[in-house]
Amino acid sequence: EVQLVQSGAEVKKPGESLKISCQGSGYNFISYWIVWVRQMPGKGLEWMGIIYPGDSATTYSPSFQGQVTISADKSISTSYLQWSSLKASDTAMYYCARRYDYYDSSVDGNQYYMDVWGKGTTVTVSS
Amino acid sequence: QSVLTQPPSASGTPGQRVTISCSGSSSNIGTYSVNWYQQFPGMAPKLLIYNNNQRPSGVPDRFSGSKSGTSASLAIRGLQSEDEAKYYCVAWDDSLRGPVFGGGTKVTVL
Repeated sequence: EVQLVQSGAEVKKPGESLKISCQGSGYNFISYWIVWVRQMPGKGLEWMGIIYPGDSATTYSPSFQGQVTISADKSISTSYLQWSSLKASDTAMYYCARRYDYYDSSVDGNQYYMDVWGKGTTVTVSS
Repeated sequence: QSVLTQPPSASGTPGQRVTISCSGSSSNIGTYSVNWYQQFPGMAPKLLIYNNNQRPSGVPDRFSGSKSGTSASLAIRGLQSEDEAKYYCVAWDDSLRGPVFGGGTKVTVL
């Protein structure tokens, strides 16, 4: 069974650092991009960034560039999302998801969707 | 402000048909297929429709999707109480080189 298992809930103070994880199993982890998504309390889904564990190629959403760091350790099939200095506004649920790529002959190009999601990691930042 | 535009809410009585719209632009829906996700409170999103109109295994055929130009829609036929959830449309975006989301539509079964 394809699964993404995320690390547990975190409670931190403003200014602290944090690294949360997302471990894949049941598939070849290095061959699929991992997407990170934020959901603030009562709000919608926001794309943060994406990483290819095979070579750690990473793209960040402009909204999150410089605010977080996404990394991967392919030896343990795990991707990470980290902050160097948390703010109260980082309080949210964070999801990782696997991106499934396929070739669409009707448009002669690749198409993408996120097929498997982790259960999410709640991060609470409060003084 | 989400890149894709969805109505914030939709509702219907059991058995009715409900439709949710999703509007984008040439750099996202105009180029890439649209995917739909269902999310219950406190749960992770679940893939409902991919490639505009394909259902993953296990998704009831009451759910259907379509796309035309830079817009897409999700239809729920024969609405059931268990369909009460939030629904998000998602498409890849050439400019951002990542996915863009709709703001989500809360479906209420009256």
